[in-house]
Amino acid sequence: AQKITQTQPGMFVQEKEAVTLDCTYDTSDQSYGLFWYKQPSSGEMIFLIYQGSYDEQNATEGRYSLNFQKARKSANLVISASQLGDSAMYFCAMREGPRSNDYKLSFGAGTTVTVRA
Amino acid sequence: DAGVIQSPRHEVTEMGQEVTLRCKPISGHNSLFWYRQTMMRGLELLIYFNNNVPIDDSGMPEDRFSAKMPNASFSTLKIQPSEPRDSAVYFCASSQRQGNEKLFFGSGTQLSVL
Repeated sequence: AQKITQTQPGMFVQEKEAVTLDCTYDTSDQSYGLFWYKQPSSGEMIFLIYQGSYDEQNATEGRYSLNFQKARKSANLVISASQLGDSAMYFCAMREGPRSNDYKLSFGAGTTVTVRA
Repeated sequence: DAGVIQSPRHEVTEMGQEVTLRCKPISGHNSLFWYRQTMMRGLELLIYFNNNVPIDDSGMPEDRFSAKMPNASFSTLKIQPSEPRDSAVYFCASSQRQGNEKLFFGSGTQLSVL
């Protein structure tokens, strides 16, 4: 079963505007972690932001924020003030555990973001 | 910190040949992961190690694939014999397995099997 769902295959955003990337997840664990990674055209995977399931505050890292809605099992990424360098593929990922003692990440299919000047 | 180091960056080989991908995790990290990325299947976890011990290899597609981690600073992923459908980008990643356990990825190996 799909654990991470990203329903937007591609998005366009105007430079300096904000964009929200959707991510929903499926788990029966109470303790889990949610991650967002960026993959530019050069191919490397860059960590952006992390949200723990017990964290009460939404995570923020500079222009990135994570809109965590636990009851809806969603962890949307918001990029504010988009820049041309934000054009990339973005992946949502989940780590289930520690009950399962399993620290591997499951990744969604990704969303391609293109920032227009 | 040098980050996760993978070699080679690109590998082109002919069907039937043996391919060995190499990875050096970040010093002090005790978990290591091998992922494969394709357009069709996205990012798939192949195998991961904790403290050099393979924990879950359920993602390894076939017996043609094998992975080893002889010590904390080195891992290999071997494909023998290689097939065209193995063409993909192979990522190695490591983590400290504590706190938020974020993965640090290497630059990947672009494998093309002709």
